[in-house]
Amino acid sequence: TQLLEQSPQFLSIQEGENLTVYCNSSSVFSSLQWYRQEPGEGPVLLVTVVTGGEVKKLKRLTFQFGDARKDSSLHITAAQPGDTGLYLCAGGNTGKLIFGQGTTLQVKP
Amino acid sequence: DVKVTQSSRYLVKRTGEKVFLECVQDMDHENMFWYRQDPGLGLRLIYFSYDVKMKEKGDIPEGYSVSREKKERFSLILESASTNQTSMYLCASSRPGTGGSVEQYFGPGTRLTVT
Repeated sequence: TQLLEQSPQFLSIQEGENLTVYCNSSSVFSSLQWYRQEPGEGPVLLVTVVTGGEVKKLKRLTFQFGDARKDSSLHITAAQPGDTGLYLCAGGNTGKLIFGQGTTLQVKP
Repeated sequence: DVKVTQSSRYLVKRTGEKVFLECVQDMDHENMFWYRQDPGLGLRLIYFSYDVKMKEKGDIPEGYSVSREKKERFSLILESASTNQTSMYLCASSRPGTGGSVEQYFGPGTRLTVT
């Protein structure tokens, strides 16, 4: 069974701080995605990475796919209260996604 | 923009009732999915469908069934609701993404409480 482990599960920081969320697996994935979910809404896709070592940036968010395509990280620079939410990583194989358990981020003003 | 809608945002049912959760997508996607989301467990796949009248079990299909009579509509059925099915239910449709990946688009979710 393929599993994705996210860490930390909860993160509460002050506005302006930097943070990194990790997503790890013992399995290789053909792609890795990150979603953000706000309370009362469904997850929204942020980014897809498909190549080992790939780095993508989305404003203050930097996503990296591990060289072996088994892990990924999400780094947020100078976090803002608007970044608050649940961040989910998801690994893709054969048309389905395996989701991590999520990281709840709270950014305090 | 892709739009995935779910019939109810909140639902309260009694143990033993038959429950229907409806999902509609407007982007002609072939693949549709039903997940349940529980704190600390992430999203777990219940059932998915690659085409009309086609369905496959996900990781936790017990106690659920699905129906896909039209391409845009995917229904989740709880034959006899139980309290351990109290959860947030998320529907998604997907399209091919970059590099052979799959991009999923989610509805807003239905928070089901079974009493």
